[in-house]
Amino acid sequence: AQSVSQHNHHVILSEAASLELGCNYSYGGTVNLFWYVQYPGQHLQLLLKYFSGDPLVKGIKGFEAEFIKSKFSFNLRKPSVQWSDTAEYFCAVKPLNTGFQKLVFGTGTRLLVSP
Amino acid sequence: GAVVSQHPSRVICKSGTSVKIECRSLDFQATTMFWYRQFPKQSLMLMATSNEGSKATYEQGVEKDKFLINHASLTLSTLTVTSAHPEDSSFYICSAREARGVSYEQYFGPGTRLTVT
Repeated sequence: AQSVSQHNHHVILSEAASLELGCNYSYGGTVNLFWYVQYPGQHLQLLLKYFSGDPLVKGIKGFEAEFIKSKFSFNLRKPSVQWSDTAEYFCAVKPLNTGFQKLVFGTGTRLLVSP
Repeated sequence: GAVVSQHPSRVICKSGTSVKIECRSLDFQATTMFWYRQFPKQSLMLMATSNEGSKATYEQGVEKDKFLINHASLTLSTLTVTSAHPEDSSFYICSAREARGVSYEQYFGPGTRLTVT
């Protein structure tokens, strides 16, 4: 079945550590890719998105993600995390070759950054 | 950026009653709005998609007679949970689409926490 996988369900890091969250999808055609963040008690916010062009995408708050088409991956990275990055992170994929373009979410990764 | 609001943010209702949740796009026109449900520690599950002026399209397994969706204008969609049961308790999130050609962005509301007692 077509899906979006986030293999890390929980990640615990110390401040200043580097972060990489995995995201893989199983759609074969052209896709748009997104990373959203949900801070405790807040709504989903868009971190970054990939539509086309440079596969290395830079987003807000120092986050970036790399689209590797051959691996069907869109991993999120940040070189040095802060305590304020504690949140839940969702990868989402929008297949473009389907009749209706629905956004499909991964199961999320809960990140805890200890000070 | 575009803002989507939801009202109420929290609601507690008794089993058997109906609850209406509003979703508004505040500074853009949303031809399409989406309703999601999020269970604790789980991802967002799409319930239905509503296009302004037409009937909503429900995902498989979602009861359309139980979750009534109305998208009466380009800035307002409502979700009514009819004859609510405790198992309907959840976090409901709406999202509005700002159409820009082939690719588009979705903006999310803050969610509504429904508790059915």
